[in-house]
Amino acid sequence: DSGVTQTPKHLITATGQRVTLRCSPRSGDLSVYWYQQSLDQGLQFLIQYYNGEERAKGNILERFSAQQFPDLHSELNLSSLELGDSALYFCASSPSGSRSYEQYFGPGTRLTVT
Amino acid sequence: AQKVTQAQTEISVVEKEDVTLDCVYETRDTTYYLFWYKQPPSGELVFLIRRNSFDEQNEISGRYSWNFQKSTSSFNFTITASQVVDSAVYFCALSPPFTGGGNKLTFGTGTQLKVEL
Repeated sequence: DSGVTQTPKHLITATGQRVTLRCSPRSGDLSVYWYQQSLDQGLQFLIQYYNGEERAKGNILERFSAQQFPDLHSELNLSSLELGDSALYFCASSPSGSRSYEQYFGPGTRLTVT
Repeated sequence: AQKVTQAQTEISVVEKEDVTLDCVYETRDTTYYLFWYKQPPSGELVFLIRRNSFDEQNEISGRYSWNFQKSTSSFNFTITASQVVDSAVYFCALSPPFTGGGNKLTFGTGTQLKVEL
């Protein structure tokens, strides 16, 4: 158990809908990362937050947005969902300082868009 | 831009055989970090090892060992005396220099390892 929690574990929804994925980082970790794992694209970095502020952006669609709250949990919002958004979405967290390169992943949320 | 190549899509071995998973990377950074993660059938990503680019010492942890060669931009992973529980997808990943706030990981496409009895 990495200490990173993600909810829900599974999500099934229809095209055009909007969903919110939630992530709680390990205690004390200030950075939160979101990754998408799909058959087509593999494991791809989406976005990173550090202590509430956006730190880095990857291949994140405009239909997707994220935020990190004062209690450090993070939410990834996916809107106008398409079939191609079906994927496993991982959240990871890392500590600050010299060990900030160590990312610990949550169990993932499997999103199925029908 | 950073890139990680895992040319082996799938490897099948018989239990107790040794197996090496290859990883080749590309980066313009002079310092960087390399990682291996394991993804068992249950789906979670498990951190295995991290290596700094300025530390080329090989590392051994039980049945696992890692061979980092900066000259060939490779970071290969060997499992000795493989076991059925080693069956998983293994990902190699690359991270840019430490910035204090964390960094994104660039993953390879993964190698599916199947260990059979």
